[in-house]
Amino acid sequence: SQQGEEDPQALSIQEGENATMNCSYKTSINNLQWYRQNSGRGLVHLILIRSNEREKHSGRLRVTLDTSKKSSSLLITASRAADTASYFCATDGGGYNKLIFGAGTRLAVHP
Amino acid sequence: EAGVAQSPRYKIIEKRQSVAFWCNPISGHATLYWYQQILGQGPKLLIQFQNNGVVDDSQLPKDRFSAERLKGVDSTLKIQPAKLEDSAVYLCASSAGQFVSGGYTFGSGTRLTVV
Repeated sequence: SQQGEEDPQALSIQEGENATMNCSYKTSINNLQWYRQNSGRGLVHLILIRSNEREKHSGRLRVTLDTSKKSSSLLITASRAADTASYFCATDGGGYNKLIFGAGTRLAVHP
Repeated sequence: EAGVAQSPRYKIIEKRQSVAFWCNPISGHATLYWYQQILGQGPKLLIQFQNNGVVDDSQLPKDRFSAERLKGVDSTLKIQPAKLEDSAVYLCASSAGQFVSGGYTFGSGTRLTVV
């Protein structure tokens, strides 16, 4: 079963615009992570946010976490064509070192 | 540091045949995972090893899938016999621990096509 559900399933924007993806999950967590996957490739870790954190930044990425709503969002600012990929949230489901992924958001950034 | 190595990169087999995938995790990473990713879906955890012991294999179809991690390093995932619905990318990942800011490191995966 999948813990996280991303929204929207697909997102199409122009270069320079911001992209926001949301993730909802079902059970309590210790941390939530976001990953990127380019077509035909493995997943690349982007950012990890712990359950006691509310916001985290990494370059053009901003992640927020609302544990009361069991939701997180990933914001990519000033998007580039190279940001075109699928983005997945993943949680540990409160368990021991186990990562459960959502279905992902497919982002297309047009030049 | 070297990444997670997986082989082969691609594999095409006929249904009812057997296939094996190999994974070499990052040196020193105690935890190793095998995920199955069907096209258009998120990765689904098949099995998790801690050193050479199985932590979670609840979603592993044990009638046809098997995995081992001898000596707590390399791992092999086997499917025998394969079904059409096993067509997917099989991803291996490793981790040093739960609260590591770098997250989990994934290999490039093995794309399996069952015809």
